[in-house]
Amino acid sequence: GAVVSQHPSWVICKSGTSVKIECRSLDFQATTMFWYRQFPKQSLMLMATSNEGSKATYEQGVEKDKFLINHASLTLSTLTVTSAHPEDSSFYICSARDPGLAYEQYFGPGTRLTVT
Amino acid sequence: AQKITQTQPGMFVQEKEAVTLDCTYDTSDPSYGLFWYKQPSSGEMIFLIYQGSYDQQNATEGRYSLNFQKARKSANLVISASQLGDSAMYFCAMREGRGSARQLTFGSGTQLTVLP
Repeated sequence: GAVVSQHPSWVICKSGTSVKIECRSLDFQATTMFWYRQFPKQSLMLMATSNEGSKATYEQGVEKDKFLINHASLTLSTLTVTSAHPEDSSFYICSARDPGLAYEQYFGPGTRLTVT
Repeated sequence: AQKITQTQPGMFVQEKEAVTLDCTYDTSDPSYGLFWYKQPSSGEMIFLIYQGSYDQQNATEGRYSLNFQKARKSANLVISASQLGDSAMYFCAMREGRGSARQLTFGSGTQLTVLP
């Protein structure tokens, strides 16, 4: 079946540095990928919709200059957390839908970011 | 208004018994899909079951069934013969409209604990 991978699975960085998270669709082409953030014991909140070859669409309240999204190919989207702060510590999950299938939407395994 | 409402923050069930996790939704779009995902402590999102708004019959997948009551706008998940491995967070989600660029909106989740 379709698989979405994320790298790294966890990362610890110092405050003020930038971190890049990669999301890949392994056996299908994803024109659209979604980035979610999840705080402990809370639900998944959509941050942005990543569109291949065009600018991402950000949800209200999400700073696009802080969370840079690039979707340069049909199988890769990246999320860069710039000038990270401790409050950015969270679980980041990407998701993609195989346009060739009826409704399935697949999730990556997530990236746990800790900013010290 | 909340699009997806899960009113049970936590549920307990005895092993081998059935359990129902509640989910209600709100949409004015006649075309929508309802999803249930399981999230164990590892963080991965595991797809369980899907119900389309035009589907006439309730969806079933092995031990999972979706009790779809369209007029009440409810999509409860029923897990039969609970197993210890079913202990996890369960999320109900909805996707409105058609097209691969439509995002999933999640409920707040229900933490299910299966007791031996």
